[in-house]
Amino acid sequence: DVKVTQSSRYLVKRTGEKVFLECVQDMDHENMFWYRQDPGLGLRLIYFSYDVKMKEKGDIPEGYSVSREKKERFSLILESASTNQTSMYLCASSLLSLGQAATQYFGPGTRLLVL
Amino acid sequence: EDQVTQSPEALRLQEGESSSLNCSYTVSGLRGLFWYRQDPGKGPEFLFTLYSAGEEKEKERLKATLTKKESFLHITAPKPEDSATYLCAVRPIIQGAQKLVFGQGTRLTINP
Repeated sequence: DVKVTQSSRYLVKRTGEKVFLECVQDMDHENMFWYRQDPGLGLRLIYFSYDVKMKEKGDIPEGYSVSREKKERFSLILESASTNQTSMYLCASSLLSLGQAATQYFGPGTRLLVL
Repeated sequence: EDQVTQSPEALRLQEGESSSLNCSYTVSGLRGLFWYRQDPGKGPEFLFTLYSAGEEKEKERLKATLTKKESFLHITAPKPEDSATYLCAVRPIIQGAQKLVFGQGTRLTINP
């Protein structure tokens, strides 16, 4: 079974703090993704990575950065947390596929509250 | 612009009452369509992948179908444990990208 784990289920931070969200997958997947999910807005892609040290911006990268030093681990960094970054953060991973789309498998999510 | 629209937004059924959820999409080209189930406060759980019009997949009480413009998730004789939000997503043909485009989801409630 594919397993994607996220470091925290719930996190409370203060405005201006630097926040690290960690994601680990155990299926040797090339691709890893960070989404945020908000009521009425659905899932929106923040960043994705298709290889170690490689990253690409998604639809809403502003205020975020990412790090992928090892294949199994993908970190999302909020450089200076703001209240509008309060959200559910979801990590996903998939195989790299150049033909048919590969399935993305999701972690349990981290609910972040920025006060 | 690639777009996915799910309907209805919410659906309430009695246990055993079959129904269908709709996912309409407009994409430049389709590499795959995905259905996920999401329980409150949890991450989406993969259900099905469909790749071409006419394809069907089944799992227990769920059956997913695909046409060139939409997909349906049919739920036969649902049980209360089928209550969840069902998400549809498409992978467009965009060179160099691996992203999915998600719909807003259908919140399904099955009353005993």
